[in-house]
Amino acid sequence: SQKIEQNSEALNIQEGKTATLTCNYTNYSPAYLQWYRQDPGRGPVFLLLIRENEKEKRKERLKVTFDTTLKQSLFHITASQPADSATYLCALDPSGGSYIPTFGRGTSLIVHP
Amino acid sequence: DSGVTQTPKHLITATGQRVTLRCSPRSGDLSVYWYQQSLDQGLQFLIQYYNGEERAKGNILERFSAQQFPDLHSELNLSSLELGDSALYFCASSQNSWADTQYFGPGTRLTVL
Repeated sequence: SQKIEQNSEALNIQEGKTATLTCNYTNYSPAYLQWYRQDPGRGPVFLLLIRENEKEKRKERLKVTFDTTLKQSLFHITASQPADSATYLCALDPSGGSYIPTFGRGTSLIVHP
Repeated sequence: DSGVTQTPKHLITATGQRVTLRCSPRSGDLSVYWYQQSLDQGLQFLIQYYNGEERAKGNILERFSAQQFPDLHSELNLSSLELGDSALYFCASSQNSWADTQYFGPGTRLTVL
């Protein structure tokens, strides 16, 4: 069955450093992948979408890569700030016409001042 | 503010009861998605409606049902409630398909006692 894995352990980094979060998937060939930010008790907020034919996508301090051979996406936040502290979810598109999106459990990022 | 509204914000009820959660999508969005998020399960896709018709079904229990009305607002009905149904329920909307950005509402926190 399809499986998405994100680091369950929180990522602690110092302000100003680059945070890198990982999303791995198996038994899946998504056409695109999305990253969301979620704050406690609030709905996820869309950040970036990357398609299978795109290796990298950037938006301000955010960068996403998509390696369909490794079945992995990396999400980078450069010059991180305490306000970036949140849980980050990756989501894979419905494949095979199933129209059912699948979300990872998310990784908590904590940026220390 | 995502433009997606959900009511009520909090709901406390007893086992065996039935509740209705309501969602109004962003203006112009035709697709509505329902998700359940609990601490041990992460974000689980329940069901999607597109312009009034059911498009995709995920891990939705038979005790749950949903519909999308002509004005595009949607309701999620949960019946014969069990303790394990306690969770955050999110509604999201997008223009058309899942490839479009999903905008999540603030969620309804359901507590079943």
